Parts: sequence; C-alpha cells; structure tokens
Amino acid sequence: AQTVTQSQPEMSVQEAETVTLSCTYDTSESNYYLFWYKQPPSRQMILVIRQEAYKQQNATENRFSVNFQKAAKSFSLKISDSQLGDTAMYFCAFMLAGGSEKLVFGKGTKLTVNP
Amino acid sequence: KAGVTQTPRYLIKTRGQQVTLSCSPISGHRSVSWYQQTPGQGLQFLFEYFSETQRNKGNFPGRFSGRQFSNSRSEMNVSTLELGDSALYLCASSLVSRAKTQYFGPGTRLLVL
Repeated sequence: AQTVTQSQPEMSVQEAETVTLSCTYDTSESNYYLFWYKQPPSRQMILVIRQEAYKQQNATENRFSVNFQKAAKSFSLKISDSQLGDTAMYFCAFMLAGGSEKLVFGKGTKLTVNP
Repeated sequence: KAGVTQTPRYLIKTRGQQVTLSCSPISGHRSVSWYQQTPGQGLQFLFEYFSETQRNKGNFPGRFSGRQFSNSRSEMNVSTLELGDSALYLCASSLVSRAKTQYFGPGTRLLVL
C-alpha cells in the first residue's frame, strides 16, 4: 500500500518570502503521479501542481514549483513570493498510474502567510 | 466550463437514518471519485466510478455505497448513520487521460446527531 507523509503539521511565512513544504511517499511502483492540493478555509480543494513520475523535470506553475527526488521518494513544494491568499492547508497526494484513479493523501500542512 | 457541483452543501441527520449525496462532474469527465475528510482520519478514499462501474473501493463498511449514472453524475449513499460518519464528503471528477488529474467539488458537510 502506498503512504504519503507530511512531516510539518504547521508552518508560517512572511508575505513575499519563500517557503518549502515537505512530502515523502512510499511505493514499490515506478509509474505514478504526485500532486499538491490547497484547501483554504472555504474547504474547496484546489489543484496547485502535478508531477508525473516518469518526467525528470520538476513541474512549475507560476510561483509554485516542486523538487521531485524519485530515488529519495521526496516531493517538496516551494512557494515563492508568498501572498496572503496562499494561507491554507496543503495536501500532498499520490496516485498510481493505470486504471483506477485513487488519490492517497498526506495529513496536510497548515500554512499561514503573515503580513 | 462549470466546475464539479455537489448537493446538498450541508446536511444534518440523526443516527440510524440514511443519506444520499449527489455529485455532478465537469462536463466531459467520466470518472468520479468520493472522499471522506475528518479531523481525525484526514482524507480517505471511498470509491471511484467510471462508465457506471465501480473501479475501486476504499476501506469503508458496506453502509457506504455509490453509483454512477449514464450522464456521469454520481450519488453516494450512507445507510444507518453513525456519529462517526460526520464529515466533509468530497467528490472529484477527471477526464481519465494520461493527465490523471482530479478536480474537486465544494463538498457536502454532513453532521450526524
């Protein structure tokens, strides 16, 4: 069974600064997908970024980028130029490639951006 | 395109009752997945439907069931409600392509008294 671990329950950062959220996962499979989702106080789950395991290049989406280390089974999220609207729970998630689409989530990191 | 919609948004039930939650996926999306979110257990996968067939099921008792209709809309049902079923129930849809990306609805918050 696949597991996802987020070791930082809470983090805070000053507005305009950079913060990195950690995520490690465990799997014996080689084909999979990794995601970061954001859940603000509204509870709406929003996709932040996606990484395909067979791609060596790290994904980026504007101020969000990942550091994907397949051998170490690590998938950290870097948020640059943090904004107040980035305040949210951030969940790392894993999905096996293949038929079924089942996301396995970590416990989440609560990020607070301070003015 | 309209996003994933879920109805109702809030629901209060009493123990022993049953409840049905509905999810309408993004137009063109054929896979619908359901998740339960609680403070204690976090986000847990309930089941996934594709083309009206359940493709995968999480580790939940048989009181939790679901179905998918020909228009890809999905419902989940919880019978004989227990206090521990109080949770946010999230539905997600995807295009079922190599992208493998799920888009979530706003959730249904269920409170069991």
